[in-house]
Amino acid sequence: EDKVVQSPLSLVVHEGDTVTLNCSYEVTNFRSLLWYKQEKKAPTFLFMLTSSGIEKKSGRLSSILDKKELFSILNITATQTGDSAVYLCAVEAGGGSQGNLIFGKGTKLSVKP
Amino acid sequence: DGGITQSPKYLFRKEGQNVTLSCEQNLNHDAMYWYRQDPGQGLRLIYYSQIVNDFQKGDIAEGYSVSREKKESFPLTVTSAQKNPTAFYLCASSAYPPGGGEQYFGPGTRLTVT
Repeated sequence: EDKVVQSPLSLVVHEGDTVTLNCSYEVTNFRSLLWYKQEKKAPTFLFMLTSSGIEKKSGRLSSILDKKELFSILNITATQTGDSAVYLCAVEAGGGSQGNLIFGKGTKLSVKP
Repeated sequence: DGGITQSPKYLFRKEGQNVTLSCEQNLNHDAMYWYRQDPGQGLRLIYYSQIVNDFQKGDIAEGYSVSREKKESFPLTVTSAQKNPTAFYLCASSAYPPGGGEQYFGPGTRLTVT
């Protein structure tokens, strides 16, 4: 059965700290891994990763994929209170469930002033 | 503005009643999806549609039904057969049929059934 596991499930840090969120997966016919940020409502897209070892970066956020070890990390440096959210990892798998996203449970990040 | 709209934002129903959640997109996306999110859980796929007049069951389709008569619209009906309908429902769309490209999400509908 395809699955995506995120850790930790929740995390509390102070402004300025650096955090690393983890996402491991076991899926059939991996296509891509996506990270989303969910505040109150709709998840907003952060990154899509398809190749191992190539870091994607956007401001203070960065992410990398390891297809050999089947995991990805999302780094946030110099955290701010506005980074408080649930971060969702999703894997797009091909084959019988072609292209459907399988989501992890999310990591709830709380950044305290 | 391009985007995905869902209505209503909050919905309250009595047990035993069917209810339809609206999802409209003006992004010209072919693929649309419905997810359910419960507290502390990830998103679970209910139904998806790659093209007009075609849709497929996701992982938790029991008790739900959909239609895709227009490219822009993908309404979800929560029927009385759904045992635990209270949840947050998210609609999404993507430019490509499943197989590429990120999904864009609507603001969600929070359904409470008592």
